[in-house]
Amino acid sequence: RKEVEQDPGPFNVPEGATVAFNCTYSNSASQSFFWYRQDCRKEPKLLMSVYSSGNEDGRFTAQLNRASQYISLLIRDSKLSDSATYLCVVKPVTDSWGKFQFGAGTQVVVTP
Amino acid sequence: DTEVTQTPKHLVMGMTNKKSLKCEQHMGHRAMYWYKQKAKKPPELMFVYSYEKLSINESVPSRFSPECPNSSLLNLHLHALQPEDSALYLCASSPRTSGSADTQYFGPGTRLTVL
Repeated sequence: RKEVEQDPGPFNVPEGATVAFNCTYSNSASQSFFWYRQDCRKEPKLLMSVYSSGNEDGRFTAQLNRASQYISLLIRDSKLSDSATYLCVVKPVTDSWGKFQFGAGTQVVVTP
Repeated sequence: DTEVTQTPKHLVMGMTNKKSLKCEQHMGHRAMYWYKQKAKKPPELMFVYSYEKLSINESVPSRFSPECPNSSLLNLHLHALQPEDSALYLCASSPRTSGSADTQYFGPGTRLTVL
C-alpha cells in the first residue's frame, strides 16, 4: 500500500462549479500536511498547509480528518486557471525527517 | 520572499559529459533537497542536506553527486548519465523546523535531456 494515495482523476469541472477530492495517508503519526498545485512542466507550488481545525484561503478549503487518515481539498467557483495537478504532501514523524511523502497527484480540468 | 532559483533552466548533455546543476535560496532555510520528476509522476526524493550536511541519500547512483558549499547553495554534479536520467530536476528548501512551519518551497527546475 502506498503511503499517500490520491485519486488521479481527471476531475472535469465546469467553470464556476465546486470540486472536492481527498488524499489518504497510511502513517497515523504523520505530522504535517500540505496541498501543492503543479502546472504542466512547472514546479510544484505551495497552495496551502492543512491545519487540524481545517482552513480556508479564498476559494480553497482544506480539511484534515485524523481519525480516518485523510485530508481533503475543496475548490469553490472553479476558474479555468485552477486547471492543474494537485499534489498531497505529508510530513512524517521526526525519525524519517526530510522525507516528505508525495501523493501521485489529482488532475483537475476546468472547462468553459 | 519564498524564492528558490535554479540554473540552468534546460540542459542537454551527452552520456560522456560532466555538468552541474545549481540551486540557490536566500530565505535562511537550513534544509535543501534534490528531487527528480518524470512526466506524470510525483517528485522523487534524491538527496537531503540538513545544516549543510548530507542527511539523506535515497540510494541514488554515484553518477549523481550532490554538494552543499554553504547554507544558501546546493549543486548537483552529473557525470556519465544515461538517457533514462532525462527528467525535471527540482531543488527545494525548507526552514528545517518542526510542524507545519517546515514547508518546502521549490525552484523552477532544470529540464535535463541526456542523449
